[in-house]
Amino acid sequence: DQQVKQNSPSLSVQEGRISILNCDYTNSMFDYFLWYKKYPAEGPTFLISISSIKDKNEDGRFTVFLNKSAKHLSLHIVPSQPGDSAVYFCAASVRGGSEKLVFGKGTKLTVNP
Amino acid sequence: GAGVSQTPSNKVTEKGKYVELRCDPISGHTALYWYRQSLGQGPEFLIYFQGTGAADDSGLPNDRFFAVRPEGSVSTLKIQRTERGDSAVYLCASSLGLTGYEQYFGPGTRLTVT
Repeated sequence: DQQVKQNSPSLSVQEGRISILNCDYTNSMFDYFLWYKKYPAEGPTFLISISSIKDKNEDGRFTVFLNKSAKHLSLHIVPSQPGDSAVYFCAASVRGGSEKLVFGKGTKLTVNP
Repeated sequence: GAGVSQTPSNKVTEKGKYVELRCDPISGHTALYWYRQSLGQGPEFLIYFQGTGAADDSGLPNDRFFAVRPEGSVSTLKIQRTERGDSAVYLCASSLGLTGYEQYFGPGTRLTVT
C-alpha cells in the first residue's frame, strides 16, 4: 500500500517554462515533506522541504506547496532549465522518531532546450 | 567536505552467497539509514542507526538481512543466502540526527544476484 504517490511517471516541459510535479499522501501522521532530485548513477540529492505547519516554502527557483486537507503537495520549478532534467522523488516522514523517509516512485522530468 | 561513500559501487553475486555492503557516512553525522531501491520504485527504508544501536529495523524484509555500526561511524549491511529478488540499488544516508535535518545520500551499491 503506497503511502506516498506520484501519479505521473514522466513530465516534459520547455526551457524557461514552469514545471509542476505533484505528490499525494495517505498517512495523516506525516508532518514533514521533502523533494529529492536524482541523476542516473547518483544518490538522491535533497532539494527542498516543508513542515506541515506551513503551506508554502520557497528557495530560489523552487517552491513547494502543501495542501494538508487534500493530502497533496507540489513542487514548482520556475524557470525550468535543461540541467533540471532528472528524476524527482517526493518523500514524507513523521518527525521525532526515526524520521525514516517514505518515498514515492518518482517523476522523470525532461526540460527541452 | 566529503559526502557519504559506499563500497563497492557494483556487486554481482550468485544466488545463495553472502554479501557485505559498506557505508561511510559524513563525519559527525550520528544518524545513518539504509534504503533499498528496486527498478521503477522509490527508495524503501530498511534500517536506522542512532550512534551504534539500530533504533529502527522495521524495514528489514527478513532475517537474512542484518546491519551493524560497531563504532558509530561506518556501517555494514549484510545479506545471507542471497536471492534474485534481492537485486536492487542499496542506498545509505546520514544526517546530523536531530529533528528536521536532511538526509544526505551516498551513490549506492548496485547488487545483482544471478
